[in-house]
Amino acid sequence: NAGVMQNPRHLVRRRGQEARLRCSPMKGHSHVYWYRQLPEEGLKFMVYLQKENIIDESGMPKERFSAEFPKEGPSILRIQQVVRGDSAAYFCASSPPGQPSYNEQFFGPGTRLTVL
Amino acid sequence: AQTVTQSQPEMSVQEAETVTLSCTYDTSESDYYLFWYKQPPSRQMILVIRQEAYKQQNATENRFSVNFQKAAKSFSLKISDSQLGDAAMYFCAIMDSNYQLIWGAGTKLIIKP
Repeated sequence: NAGVMQNPRHLVRRRGQEARLRCSPMKGHSHVYWYRQLPEEGLKFMVYLQKENIIDESGMPKERFSAEFPKEGPSILRIQQVVRGDSAAYFCASSPPGQPSYNEQFFGPGTRLTVL
Repeated sequence: AQTVTQSQPEMSVQEAETVTLSCTYDTSESDYYLFWYKQPPSRQMILVIRQEAYKQQNATENRFSVNFQKAAKSFSLKISDSQLGDAAMYFCAIMDSNYQLIWGAGTKLIIKP
C-alpha cells in the first residue's frame, strides 16, 4: 500500500507565477489535510478536505490560495501570484473515513516551494 | 485557542542513553489527542507515539514512552537506549474535535556516538 504521494518534491517559481502542488492520499483514505512549514517552525494547518468538499479552510490565507479534492484525481493546493513569503515546505496528510480526530494522519514527503 | 510549547530548541544525548523531550499544551477541551512526530533530514513526518487524553495509562512504543500529566497539561517523550537513527526534529502536536493538528516549534535531537 503506497503512502501519501506528493509532487513535485521541489518547485521553484518566480514572483507572480502560479504554483500547483499535488497530493494523492493513501488508498482508501477520504480525508486530506494541507499544512505549511516555515523554516525552523512547526507545521501550520491550512485546510481540510473530503472528496469534493472543503470542510475547514480556516488556516488558509483568504487571497491567492485555494484547494480542491475532486472526485477523481489528487488534491491540489494552488497558490496564485506567488510571493517570496510563500516559500515553505507544504505537507499533505490523509486519514481514512470515519471520525477524523480518532484517526492518525499519514503524511506525505512534502513539497518544498522556493519563490525567487 | 490551542497552543503547544516545546521549550527545548535542541537536545543532545549520548548513544545508548535516555533522553526526555518536553512538551506543554493548552486547550479548553476535555477530549483530545496528543502526538509526537519525528522529522528526519528527509523531512518525512513520521508518527512516533500517540496518547488519548481520556486514557490515564501512558502510551509506549518500544523504546519510546510518554509521561502524560493531564492536570499539568504536560506530555513529555522519553527515548530509551538512544540510537543514531533517532537523530531528527521531534514535534509535539495536539488534535481536538476540530481535527486540526496544532504543532509545537520542534526540538532538534542530536545523538552523540
